Amino acid sequence: DTTVKQNPRYKLARVGKPVNLICSQTMNHDTMYWYQKKPNQAPKLLLFYYDKILNREADTFEKFQSSRPNNSFCSLYIGSAGLEYSAMYLCASSRQNTGQLYFGEGSKLTVL
Amino acid sequence: QQKVQQSPESLIVPEGGMASLNCTSSDRNVDYFWWYRQHSGKSPKMLMSIFSNGEKEEGRFTVHLNKASLHTSLHIRDSQPSDSALYLCAASTAGGNYKPTFGKGTSLVVHP
Repeated sequence: DTTVKQNPRYKLARVGKPVNLICSQTMNHDTMYWYQKKPNQAPKLLLFYYDKILNREADTFEKFQSSRPNNSFCSLYIGSAGLEYSAMYLCASSRQNTGQLYFGEGSKLTVL
Repeated sequence: QQKVQQSPESLIVPEGGMASLNCTSSDRNVDYFWWYRQHSGKSPKMLMSIFSNGEKEEGRFTVHLNKASLHTSLHIRDSQPSDSALYLCAASTAGGNYKPTFGKGTSLVVHP
């Protein structure tokens, strides 16, 4: 089974409200990633977990938080959503020594 | 931050024709390239990877890599309507954590 599941698939949020997106995988992958995808833009890496170690990209460091309570589960948390957070959020997982990413189908966030 | 440039942005080929897609990285430390295919409404799935100079063929798909110019290309022969999708190129450096950086993609339409 090479499935990565994301919930919710669609999320509507008000400006200033928190948002929590969830991702799970059953492949025992050691690395889990979160990408942000806006129309006509490349997927942008926000952060990733290697095992229990969180790595956040410098330019998104303060905007996104994440937790990984176990190997299978990873969340993406936005404390106060702004209009600019409207995007598709893609979760992916991989084995560290292969680099191949397995993606979920995404969570589409709309902030109003 | 490294950039991955893909061209063309969109491509239309007739059924049975050849589709050629290009990808270049601006980071001289890049070692690995992947091609992902994303059908409409679906998650990206890895199509091919290439890590060494030269060519790699899998069925109707051929990928080339020139490490000196950090350029990779994907060629699809005998294109089928089911090949219509967004093709994403990703690149990463070796050693330590893989942090794939993606291009914006090439939208391929194969018309019957």
